[in-house]
Amino acid sequence: QKEVEQDPGPLSVPEGAIVSLNCTYSNSAFQYFMWYRQYSRKGPELLMYTYSSGNKEDGRFTAQVDKSSKYISLFIRDSQPSDSATYLCAINSGGYQKVTFGIGTKLQVIP
Amino acid sequence: DVKVTQSSRYLVKRTGEKVFLECVQDMDHENMFWYRQDPGLGLRLIYFSYDVKMKEKGDIPEGYSVSREKKERFSLILESASTNQTSMYLCASSRTSGGTDTQYFGPGTRLTVL
Repeated sequence: QKEVEQDPGPLSVPEGAIVSLNCTYSNSAFQYFMWYRQYSRKGPELLMYTYSSGNKEDGRFTAQVDKSSKYISLFIRDSQPSDSATYLCAINSGGYQKVTFGIGTKLQVIP
Repeated sequence: DVKVTQSSRYLVKRTGEKVFLECVQDMDHENMFWYRQDPGLGLRLIYFSYDVKMKEKGDIPEGYSVSREKKERFSLILESASTNQTSMYLCASSRTSGGTDTQYFGPGTRLTVL
């Protein structure tokens, strides 16, 4: 079983839709949860970061962590064509540990 | 703004050639990383370095080596390139050794080995 599972998509939604992106993980030692966004022909960039169960909101983006289910989500409200990108979840156990990335979900928001 | 630059965006090499991929960061970051990104496999860590002249193997170090002679520069070396090393290579840096620190990525080098 992979440490982090993520559906690669692609996911295609109309502009203005609410988007839900998800990852599951297997190692209960994971404590820190991140979402990176990668535009085509660019490197990933950090979008959001959280280390606890619950929700964290930043503008149209909400990161949700459920440690009991080992499930993390990223919600995008009022999606825009500029949100079209690949979204990678990233997880680690904290301290001097490497980060494990999901394979990324490709999102297309259609005008 | 943190800037991570990679020496080439696109590179075409022949099997058996020695290949150097260069990465430079301008924010005095301690940690630097080399990943490769392949469809269906995602980002996989090749090597990382937490200080000058220090290196640690990642998940897939076979066929690669690295060099970090200066803090700002981290090089990935393919001693004898093979076709299965055709991939997108991404360099990243982070401020400290803490795994929670944001990793800043370069734009990537798409390497094709013929």
